[in-house]
Amino acid sequence: NAGVTQTPKFRVLKTGQSMTLLCAQDMNHEYMYWYRQDPGMGLRLIHYSVGEGTTAKGEVPDGYNVSRLKKQNFLLGLESAAPSQTSVYFCASSYGDRGQNQPQHFGDGTRLSIL
Amino acid sequence: GENVEQHPSTLSVQEGDSAVIKCTYSDSASNYFPWYKQELGKRPQLIIDIRSNVGEKKDQRIAVTLNKTAKHFSLHITETQPEDSAVYFCAASTRGTYKYIFGTGTRLKVLA
Repeated sequence: NAGVTQTPKFRVLKTGQSMTLLCAQDMNHEYMYWYRQDPGMGLRLIHYSVGEGTTAKGEVPDGYNVSRLKKQNFLLGLESAAPSQTSVYFCASSYGDRGQNQPQHFGDGTRLSIL
Repeated sequence: GENVEQHPSTLSVQEGDSAVIKCTYSDSASNYFPWYKQELGKRPQLIIDIRSNVGEKKDQRIAVTLNKTAKHFSLHITETQPEDSAVYFCAASTRGTYKYIFGTGTRLKVLA
């Protein structure tokens, strides 16, 4: 039982390049999230998904796109990377329970540098 | 929009002393409040959580208190140890919104 797995762990891009970050969870969770973590700013929500085939914008969605084609996978794409997107990206997942919110489980993060 | 303020941003305590971290939330409909611990270079991990129908919850040396009227909640760590050194994040979530709003984190240093 691996939990939440993120790939890659590190990546360096040049401005204007594109890439996709992959998040996979094996806990059969309904909800999945992408956050970015910058020094002194905590975790900010980029996009989230409440089920297969559905996505929604979070606090800081500009410059990112997401897809949830399979329940266990949540992809984060950068179409044209910018230096402002240098950050550590965390994926998280949780059970879907309309009655009570549930704890989130986080992956190990992807450290992304844009030159 | 929803906001969670967390204080202090850094906290140093002597080993064996207590540490208290406070968070204030803006959305009065928030009903779930988890706390996460993040060690350097690692993932955030849940250490304790509380729901709005409870005023206090304890787990060994860790406790969380909630004051719904004042819209604030606090993390209490007693008998601190060097391995408690980490960044701690609070969060608030509202039933049905699926979103969690995080505080900006508190870096706790436990001095041996």
